[in-house]
Amino acid sequence: AQSVTQPDIHITVSEGASLELRCNYSYGATPYLFWYVQSPGQGLQLLLKYFSGDTLVQGIKGFEAEFKRSQSSFNLRKPSVHWSDAAEYFCAVGPNSGNTPLVFGKGTRLSVIA
Amino acid sequence: GAGVSQSPRYKVAKRGQDVALRCDPISGHVSLFWYQQALGQGPEFLTYFQNEAQLDKSGLPSDRFFAERPEGSVSTLKIQRTQQEDSAVYLCASSLFQTGLAVYQETQYFGPGTRLLVL
Repeated sequence: AQSVTQPDIHITVSEGASLELRCNYSYGATPYLFWYVQSPGQGLQLLLKYFSGDTLVQGIKGFEAEFKRSQSSFNLRKPSVHWSDAAEYFCAVGPNSGNTPLVFGKGTRLSVIA
Repeated sequence: GAGVSQSPRYKVAKRGQDVALRCDPISGHVSLFWYQQALGQGPEFLTYFQNEAQLDKSGLPSDRFFAERPEGSVSTLKIQRTQQEDSAVYLCASSLFQTGLAVYQETQYFGPGTRLLVL
């Protein structure tokens, strides 16, 4: 069965510092991977996605993620965090067949301090 | 065009009441998903429509949950005889399913959710 693990429940970083949010997945074939962000009271906004090709993918708001098959990981990174990045971040995996439900991790809450 | 919209945004129900949650997907999007997000958790799949056909309802937690999409656009998630454990945020997502192309996962676009509190 597919599963996604986000080991860090809560991370606090200083504004301007770099950020890495971890995501590990379990899936029997090549997965399709997503990172979504959720601000309080809001729905999920897609940050970036990996389907195939270059394992380093760029997303919106300066985020990037790297797919590492050997480690079953898809970690999210940002070189310099802004206060507005404080939110809940979810990693999700989907199988490579069209339009099937996503399996989400439990999320990592990011706090940004001055 | 406009994104996915959901109504109401907040709903308070007494235990035992029936509730109906509405989702308006992005225009032209064929696929529609419902997810349930409990407090402090990630979204969990409930059910999936392709046009008006409900192709997967394996995530519905009980027969008190019912979803429909009669005209292949707007969808309604109905919960009968609500229980306290139904309290959650209910998220709707839509995606564009393009037939004839290589099979791949379409991006799902989410609405703001309906926060349901059952007292």
